[in-house]
Amino acid sequence: DAEITQSPRHKITETGRQVTLACHQTWNHNNMFWYRQDLGHGLRLIHYSYGVQDTNKGEVSDGYSVSRSNTEDLPLTLESAASSQTSVYFCASSERQIGAEAFFGQGTRLTVV
Amino acid sequence: QQQVKQSPQSLIVQKGGISIINCAYENTAFDYFPWYQQFPGKGPALLIAIRPDVSEKKEGRFTISFNKSAKQFSLHIMDSQPGDSATYFCAASKYNQGGKLIFGQGTELSVKP
Repeated sequence: DAEITQSPRHKITETGRQVTLACHQTWNHNNMFWYRQDLGHGLRLIHYSYGVQDTNKGEVSDGYSVSRSNTEDLPLTLESAASSQTSVYFCASSERQIGAEAFFGQGTRLTVV
Repeated sequence: QQQVKQSPQSLIVQKGGISIINCAYENTAFDYFPWYQQFPGKGPALLIAIRPDVSEKKEGRFTISFNKSAKQFSLHIMDSQPGDSATYFCAASKYNQGGKLIFGQGTELSVKP
């Protein structure tokens, strides 16, 4: 079955370190998204991509970057981790067609100490 | 700014009762309004969605009511069951933007047996 996989599921890192969260989908979806989930804020969009070599900033993009070198993967990099980036991160993907449903991964819980 | 406001933050309902969650949006350009359901440790999953050309959509025990003039929409869960206990998120987007969603803050629903 097609799926979307995030790794690692849990990570603890130190302030100032660079961290990369992986997202891999096997649906061959063109659209991919990264959200962070924080209590009281719901899910907020960090970055998104509508295809290979395409990346766009979302609502809360400061301190994060993404790259899209193939259809299946959209890694999220925290350039210099900060305590404010402690959160649960979700990757999602959808087809290109209008009204397509977004499918979410299981999430990565990141703690910055 | 919070473009989609959701209430209540938490809700306790007895088995067999009706659960009602409300959302309000600001951007009149939004034309796609999905509801996502999230169980602990899992990613959100699409539950039901509506477009503003209809005032109501029903799927089984779940109904979305939509009021375009008031810029409000709500989720009604009829005959609520303990298995419905989860966090519910409303969201809004433009229909041609795939999974680029603006989420509400979330409602934690607990259905007591």
